Amino acid sequence: GEQVEQLPSILRVQEGSSASINCTYENSASNYFPWYKQEPGENPKLIIDIRSNMERKQTQGLIVLLDKKAKRFSLHITDTQPGDSAMYFCAASGSGSFNKLTFGAGTRLAVCP
Amino acid sequence: ETAVFQTPNYHVTQVGNEVSFNCKQTLGHDTMYWYKQDSKKLLKIMFSYNNKQLIVNETVPRRFSPQSSDKAHLNLRIKSVEPEDSAVYLCASSKYEQYFGPGTRLTVL
Repeated sequence: GEQVEQLPSILRVQEGSSASINCTYENSASNYFPWYKQEPGENPKLIIDIRSNMERKQTQGLIVLLDKKAKRFSLHITDTQPGDSAMYFCAASGSGSFNKLTFGAGTRLAVCP
Repeated sequence: ETAVFQTPNYHVTQVGNEVSFNCKQTLGHDTMYWYKQDSKKLLKIMFSYNNKQLIVNETVPRRFSPQSSDKAHLNLRIKSVEPEDSAVYLCASSKYEQYFGPGTRLTVL
């Protein structure tokens, strides 16, 4: 199976600064890496993802990087706002929709005004 | 509205009772999943179901069983709940990206 390690578990940043979350995976066959944001009392929501044919993807203040050789991927939130405070989960899966997602343990991000 | 729907939102029950949770998706996806999210927010896959093919996470106790009538519905039954079953149960569906339902919070007294 797959194992995904996510660090840090807690991250506090000042409003306007950037925040970075890092994940590593074990299965070199994994080729899909989504990131989810979960606010208190809500379900996880997909915010950005990257597939193994890419090294970088950017959308609306979010950047994801993928290093297949190191089996590492990361989420970078630029210009953080209080609304970015939430739990963030990385995940990894193999090809096809039937392959289950293995999630990291989550990062609790707190953006302080 | 197209989404993943779950009922009930909350359920409180006693040890040893049987419970059932419902999940329906209107996204036209082929695959559905059940996840368990514990008090530490850890998300663990329990089942995935595609075209009547069920894949079970081997760590899931046998008292848990998924039930599907068609590809838009995947329910979860728990026979004889135990205190460690208290958690949020999240249903999800996918074609490529996975989308989650709002969850059912189970409390076992």
